[in-house]
Amino acid sequence: GESVGLHLPTLSVQEGDNSIINCAYSNSASDYFIWYKQESGKGPQFIIDIRSNMDKRQGQRVTVLLNKTVKHLSLQIAATQPGDSAVYFCAESSTGGFKTIFGAGTRLFVKA
Amino acid sequence: NAGVTQTPKFQVLKTGQSMTLQCAQDMNHNSMYWYRQDPGMGLRLIYYSASEGTTDKGEVPNGYNVSRLNKREFSLRLESAAPSQTSVYFCASTDSSYEQYFGPGTRLTVT
Repeated sequence: GESVGLHLPTLSVQEGDNSIINCAYSNSASDYFIWYKQESGKGPQFIIDIRSNMDKRQGQRVTVLLNKTVKHLSLQIAATQPGDSAVYFCAESSTGGFKTIFGAGTRLFVKA
Repeated sequence: NAGVTQTPKFQVLKTGQSMTLQCAQDMNHNSMYWYRQDPGMGLRLIYYSASEGTTDKGEVPNGYNVSRLNKREFSLRLESAAPSQTSVYFCASTDSSYEQYFGPGTRLTVT
């Protein structure tokens, strides 16, 4: 079936460095992509989203890049902080649809 | 504004027992979802309710039933629990923006 996956299951970065988390998706019909952050013992929390008519979107310290040609999504976190330590999920869905497919997640460790 | 709430937070069941997980949202969202999350895996959709009065199967519906009691509440029932249903269960809701708001989860162990 269709799936969303991640290239790296864990990522360890130094505090203050930039982090890049990658994701591959396989459903070419997906036109809406979301990044969620999940802290230990909590539910996922929305970070940023992007629609397929864009290739870049910026938020506060986060940027999402979408490359539809190779079906690749990335999340960039600037000046990574200890509070950014969490599991990050990419997810995809289609306009008008109600189902969201989640990737397996990448755990980000931030070293002080 | 509590967002999405789930009860209970933790539950231990014996094989064959039944239970209902409760979920409520106070954001006036139309759509609600139940997911399960297993170690090292992403969220898998069990059932969803696009709007009050409708429910549909997701990716892993076997062994579960749901009820959309009203616009606020969406419950998940395990009729005869099995060890394979040991997991963390998350409820979520959304309006038309597709961003989902998640509850804190229910940690279920079936022995």
